[in-house]
Amino acid sequence: QVQLQESGPGLVKPSETLSLTCTVSGGSISSYYWNWIRQPPGKGLEWIGYVYYSGSTNYNPSLKSRVTISVDTSKNQFSLRLTSVTAADTAVYYCARRDPRSSFYFDSWGQGTLVTVSS
Amino acid sequence: QSALTQPASVSGSPGQSITISCTGTSSDVGDYNYVSWYQQHPGKGPKLMIYDVSNRPSGVSNRFSGSKSGNTASLTISGLQAEDEADYYCTSYTTSSTLGYVFGTGTKVTVL
Repeated sequence: QVQLQESGPGLVKPSETLSLTCTVSGGSISSYYWNWIRQPPGKGLEWIGYVYYSGSTNYNPSLKSRVTISVDTSKNQFSLRLTSVTAADTAVYYCARRDPRSSFYFDSWGQGTLVTVSS
Repeated sequence: QSALTQPASVSGSPGQSITISCTGTSSDVGDYNYVSWYQQHPGKGPKLMIYDVSNRPSGVSNRFSGSKSGNTASLTISGLQAEDEADYYCTSYTTSSTLGYVFGTGTKVTVL
């Protein structure tokens, strides 16, 4: 059973860069799409983007200018960078997997990590 | 990408059936059978309940079922139980602006 675990700073200052890593255990990072999804406190879910194990990416247009998602297959990890953060980027950030051999849904999720943007 | 529209809250008594709607557009729900539903209990990550409109992953109770008509998908919970009290989100593959995903606004299910 694959497990995903988010890690990174819980507090980021406004205008700085948010960086998170998702470590995949119990399975290979190869052959899957790896996604970042966030949820502001008390609000709904928002898809941020994905990276395929080969390195190709796709991002939510509303965040595209500030987002980079990358993969490190040697470490079974993928990462999120979000630049120029504001208080509106305060959220629980989840990593999630999509299996291209199945369909367009997220079959495994991390437990989430809260990132607060504040000075 | 505009969020899919869900009712903010739905409630029912134990044993009853409830239905949650999820309305999108012809660029997402209406054009693809790639609607999925997730259950989220407080402080927890989302759990997949339905995929491809009406399919249940292994381990999910058959009290959960999904359907779609036009631009609106629905999740029905039959034989409502206390443990079903949670937030529910729909999501759909979308070709609006980019090839990605759009989530619903979320529905709080309360078991009376």
